[in-house]
Amino acid sequence: RKEVEQDPGPFNVPEGATVAFNCTYSNSASQSFFWYRQDCRKEPKLLMSVYSSGNEDGRFTAQLNRASQYISLLIRDSKLSDSATYLCAVNIQQAGTALIFGKGTTLSVSS
Amino acid sequence: GAVVSQHPSWVICKSGTSVKIECRSLDFQATTMFWYRQFPKQSLMLMATSNEGSKATYEQGVEKDKFLINHASLTLSTLTVTSAHPEDSSFYICSASPGRVNEQYFGPGTRLTVT
Repeated sequence: RKEVEQDPGPFNVPEGATVAFNCTYSNSASQSFFWYRQDCRKEPKLLMSVYSSGNEDGRFTAQLNRASQYISLLIRDSKLSDSATYLCAVNIQQAGTALIFGKGTTLSVSS
Repeated sequence: GAVVSQHPSWVICKSGTSVKIECRSLDFQATTMFWYRQFPKQSLMLMATSNEGSKATYEQGVEKDKFLINHASLTLSTLTVTSAHPEDSSFYICSASPGRVNEQYFGPGTRLTVT
């Protein structure tokens, strides 16, 4: 079983749609959770951290369910510029340990 | 702040040659650097973790004699792909951490094509 698994995608949605991505992780020692955005042929860029109580940043909402080892990202009012691959990442929260990434889910927003 | 550079950004080389990729933290000291590899439509796969002044720790399945990692200073780590083969063609991304939890900054990546 892979450490971090994501919805296969791709997600093709019209502008203005709401779309949700899911991610599960297998290591129960995971303590930190993140969503990254990766554009084609570029490095991943941090979109937002995911906190236990859930958190929101504009049109983006992240949720964490520790019991189910599950993370989600909700994007409301999708924009064309949201088209990218969204990667979830987990870390066991020790200095010097690497982020472990999911395969990513591709989102394509069309007009 | 927290800028990481990689050089070169892309490279094409012939089979059998070696290629060196540099990763630099420009405005902080990176006690730990990580090397990832990403094949098309695949995830970033961690190859190795390197701490300044010590040998790198490689992930299972990554050949340490083929992917030589040197982290000689707090701002520079290098990855050398030795005797490159076409199947080594990939996007190599480094990231650097100043040693604080949850701080990991990515370089822009190096696209390697082996012909």
